[in-house]
Amino acid sequence: GAVVSQHPSRVICKSGTSVKIECRSLDFQATTMFWYRQFPKQSLMLMATSNEGSKATYEQGVEKDKFLINHASLTLSTLTVTSAHPEDSSFYICSARLGETAFFGQGTRLTVV
Amino acid sequence: GNSVTQMEGPVTLSEEAFLTINCTYTATGYPSLFWYVQYPGEGLQLLLKATKADDKGSNKGFEATYRKETTSFHLEKGSVQVSDSAVYFCALIVTGGGNKLTFGTGTQLKVEL
Repeated sequence: GAVVSQHPSRVICKSGTSVKIECRSLDFQATTMFWYRQFPKQSLMLMATSNEGSKATYEQGVEKDKFLINHASLTLSTLTVTSAHPEDSSFYICSARLGETAFFGQGTRLTVV
Repeated sequence: GNSVTQMEGPVTLSEEAFLTINCTYTATGYPSLFWYVQYPGEGLQLLLKATKADDKGSNKGFEATYRKETTSFHLEKGSVQVSDSAVYFCALIVTGGGNKLTFGTGTQLKVEL
C-alpha cells in the first residue's frame, strides 16, 4: 500500500513554544491531506483538511491561528502548533488519500511541559 | 449525516479464539467501508476494505463483508493471536460527500495466552 511518513514521532516542548509536525506521502501525490487529533482511548477527531496550494479547511471548534497548516507541495503538509500549552498535549495523526483509501502516518506524540 | 457504530470494548479473548467485532453504519449515499488497526503508540494501518455491497474484504486472516441490507461490516477472524492485540476502527467514506472519513469509536482487542 501507499506510504505516509510523519515526523517527528515524539516531541516534548516547553509551554509557549511552537512545534512543527511534517506529513509526507512517499510514493504518491496527495492534493489533500488530513490532520487528526486523538485523545487517550478515543477515536480520531478531524481537525482540518489540508489542500495543496490553498488554505486549509478547519473543523468547527479548531483554532486556525493555533494550528497552522501549510500544504506547499503535493507530497508535504505541515502542522504547526503555535504557542503550545499543556492542554495541546495529544497524539496527532495525518493522513493522505489515494483514491478512496486513506493512508495514515505513524502519529506524533506531543507533550507540552 | 454519516455515522459508524462499533461494539464497545475492550474485548478480551484467549489465543486461537474466534473474533467478531460488530460495526453498523448510516450513510447518505453509497459508502465504501474500511477497517483500520492501531497498535499501541502508532498511527492507523488499513486492514481491509470493501467498496460495494456483498464485497468481502480480507487481509491477514481478517474478513468483513459489506452487507447493505443490514448496513453492517462486521470484522471476523477465525483464530486470533496475541499479536492481534490492538484497537480496531471501522470507518466509511461517501465519495463526493465531503471526502471525509467517518470513524467509529474504536474497539480495543486484548488477546491472552
